[in-house]
Amino acid sequence: GDSVTQMEGPVTLSEEAFLTINCTYTATGYPSLFWYVQYPGEGLQLLLKATKADDKGSNKGFEATYRKETTSFHLEKGSVQVSDSAVYFCALSDPLESGGSQGNLIFGKGTKLSVKP
Amino acid sequence: DGGITQSPKYLFRKEGQNVTLSCEQNLNHDAMYWYRQDPGQGLRLIYYSQIVNDFQKGDIAEGYSVSREKKESFPLTVTSAQKNPTAFYLCASSMGLVIYNEQFFGPGTRLTVL
Repeated sequence: GDSVTQMEGPVTLSEEAFLTINCTYTATGYPSLFWYVQYPGEGLQLLLKATKADDKGSNKGFEATYRKETTSFHLEKGSVQVSDSAVYFCALSDPLESGGSQGNLIFGKGTKLSVKP
Repeated sequence: DGGITQSPKYLFRKEGQNVTLSCEQNLNHDAMYWYRQDPGQGLRLIYYSQIVNDFQKGDIAEGYSVSREKKESFPLTVTSAQKNPTAFYLCASSMGLVIYNEQFFGPGTRLTVL
């Protein structure tokens, strides 16, 4: 079945450092890809998404490009802030996922980011 | 303000008791979901519902039950048959089961079984 693999955390960076969180996927069809963010004690919020190959999602300085050839959707930010400290989840939604559960999200395990001042 | 509410935020129950977690949305979304989150496990789908009076099992439905009598409500019951119910439970909704539709999440309920 479909799956999402994220780099293991935790990731600790200093403020203004460059961030990369790797995400790769396996899917039967041509999925849509998402990054969600979870701040401590809260639910998840959509950070960005891409619905087809070569699309770039971006929001709040974060970017990720849908790379079909490498089945990847790595999250990047040029200069992180303390307020970016959170857990980041990569997810996919596959139209050909078995069982007819199209539209359901499959999540990676999450990567915890801590940014120090 | 439109959104999803879950209550309570923290819930404590004794082992062997059934407990119901509330999820309400005023986004007029057709689809609703329940996830379980454990440390280091990511999110796992318990149940989902595309429309009123219809719901489907997710990956870890055993020991849980749901109902969808109203479009805006999707309560989850954690039964005594669930072997390890202590977890963080997240409810979500989306416009429909279309692959590019964003899911909106509630703030979660942390259930602790003593």
